[in-house]
Amino acid sequence: AQTVTQSQPEMSVQEAETVTLSCTYDTSESDYYLFWYKQPPSRQMILVIRQEAYKQQNATENRFSVNFQKAAKSFSLKISDSQLGDAAMYFCAYRSITGFQKLVFGTGTRLLVSP
Amino acid sequence: NAGVTQTPKFRVLKTGQSMTLLCAQDMNHEYMYWYRQDPGMGLRLIHYSVGEGTTAKGEVPDGYNVSRLKKQNFLLGLESAAPSQTSVYFCASSYGGAGGNQPQHFGDGTRLSIL
Repeated sequence: AQTVTQSQPEMSVQEAETVTLSCTYDTSESDYYLFWYKQPPSRQMILVIRQEAYKQQNATENRFSVNFQKAAKSFSLKISDSQLGDAAMYFCAYRSITGFQKLVFGTGTRLLVSP
Repeated sequence: NAGVTQTPKFRVLKTGQSMTLLCAQDMNHEYMYWYRQDPGMGLRLIHYSVGEGTTAKGEVPDGYNVSRLKKQNFLLGLESAAPSQTSVYFCASSYGGAGGNQPQHFGDGTRLSIL
């Protein structure tokens, strides 16, 4: 079974600075998808960014980018020019390409943003 | 755009009571999911459905039942609520195409407390 590990329970960053959230996963599959979801205090689960394992190029969405290291099974999220609105829980998630598209979540990292 | 709608948003039950959580999606998605979110544990899959009339067990199915009589609705039932079922429950849906990287769309969650 696949597992996802987020080893940082909490991270802090100042506005306009850059922060990186770590995620590692364990799988025997060669193809899969990885996601980062953001959960603000409103409790919504908001998709931040996705990565297909067969793509070597790291995904980027505006201020959000990933560092995908397939051999190391690492999938970190970099937030550039941090904003107060980035404060939230961030969850890393894994999804197999087969089966019923079940998501396996990490335990989350709480990001604090200070002015 | 409504997306995924969960009803109710909050509920307090006494041990032994029963209730049903309703999830409705208007995106014509094939797949639907119920997760629970507990502190420090991320989201865990309870049950899922890959189409109208079909359901299957996820990671933590005990104490819950589900039904998918209509494609747009996915119901989660607690027959005899227990304090261990105090949690935040999320419904999600996704396009069912094989191999696609379509993300899951989440509802806003239901906070359920069992006294």
